[in-house]
Amino acid sequence: ETGVTQTPRHLVMGMTNKKSLKCEQHLGHNAMYWYKQSAKKPLELMFVYSLEERVENNSVPSRFSPECPNSSHLFLHLHTLQPEDSALYLCASSQFTGLGTSGYTFGSGTRLTVV
Amino acid sequence: GENVEQHPSTLSVQEGDSAVIKCTYSDSASNYFPWYKQELGKRPQLIIDIRSNVGEKKDQRIAVTLNKTAKHFSLHITETQPEDSAVYFCAASVAGYSTLTFGKGTMLLVSP
Repeated sequence: ETGVTQTPRHLVMGMTNKKSLKCEQHLGHNAMYWYKQSAKKPLELMFVYSLEERVENNSVPSRFSPECPNSSHLFLHLHTLQPEDSALYLCASSQFTGLGTSGYTFGSGTRLTVV
Repeated sequence: GENVEQHPSTLSVQEGDSAVIKCTYSDSASNYFPWYKQELGKRPQLIIDIRSNVGEKKDQRIAVTLNKTAKHFSLHITETQPEDSAVYFCAASVAGYSTLTFGKGTMLLVSP
């Protein structure tokens, strides 16, 4: 399989649950990202991993915890979420050189509903 | 950090008309400007991009122009079709960094 794959596609969880989102890229890219997309809002950058090191964390609440075990896999661990965390969570990857990034390839996203 | 402004937020055109979406950026060190199309319920997909050493790039009915002096870039779609209806995002990245800063998006509606 090629591209960026996200699982699950849909997730409904209670506020006390713990769940994880998974992202896998088959493009040989060296940078991976988590974005949050809410209704009528722009894409919000959550986390950036470049060469498997977290390089950016945009003031994301600690109830979201990323993990990047290798350059092909990215996880987002969720616990004690709030209803306002309901959104589409998009994973993306790109090839980063010292000069800058290539275009991002996005996964299909996980539609998260917190009840 | 970089700030990207995108206008308009909504654009309605008749099939066959042209559509133009404009973005401005704040950081003169930005050197990469992609455009993404996101159809309803689908992932954002890269449709065209331009780097700062080029002023214009065209791919069939889609073109992007860049004015580095004014720090703005635009997406031009000619002969629009109903399947062009989607949300379009512009983005910019600063040289040496991997992160893209996105605009807020433009919902393009093409009526038959």
